[in-house]
Amino acid sequence: GDSVTQMEGPVTLSEEAFLTINCTYTATGYPSLFWYVQYPGEGLQLLLKATKADDKGSNKGFEATYRKETTSFHLEKGSVQVSDSAVYFCALILRAGGSQGNLIFGKGTKLSVKP
Amino acid sequence: EAQVTQNPRYLITVTGKKLTVTCSQNMNHEYMSWYRQDPGLGLRQIYYSMNVEVTDKGDVPEGYKVSRKEKRNFPLILESPSPNQTSLYFCASSLTWDGYGYTFGSGTRLTVV
Repeated sequence: GDSVTQMEGPVTLSEEAFLTINCTYTATGYPSLFWYVQYPGEGLQLLLKATKADDKGSNKGFEATYRKETTSFHLEKGSVQVSDSAVYFCALILRAGGSQGNLIFGKGTKLSVKP
Repeated sequence: EAQVTQNPRYLITVTGKKLTVTCSQNMNHEYMSWYRQDPGLGLRQIYYSMNVEVTDKGDVPEGYKVSRKEKRNFPLILESPSPNQTSLYFCASSLTWDGYGYTFGSGTRLTVV
């Protein structure tokens, strides 16, 4: 079935370090891809998205590129800050067929950034 | 402010006592959905609604009911809660279902004892 796999956490980095969180997917159709972020005690917020192959989503210094050939959507940031500490979720939606609008999530990766 | 509002934020209840978690959005979104978040299992869809009076089951609908009588409201009903429904619940809405991106509520932490 359709699924999202992201790297296990927690990930601990020092401020200004480079961040990569890997995400790969399996989909029976052509998905749209998302990264969501969840700060402690809050709901999920859309961080960035890409709807077709080779699209690059970007927001707040984070980037991810939709790679259809490797079925991947890795999240990167060049210099993390303490305020980036949160749980990050990779997700997909199939644009045809299946349960419509069902965001299929990865299990989440907890990021802790130390000063 | 554009938002999805869930109530209550926290709820402790006893097995079998009917409860409703409310969800309201002020963005005129067509699509609304409920998810539950459990450690080690991530987020899973319970029910969704494409529009008023149109609802359908997600991945884990057992033990839940929903209704969509108005566009802005999408309550989640637990007719007879059980301890395995202890979870963190999120309501979400979107202009369209297929790629626009969802707005999530702040969550409802439910404990059934």
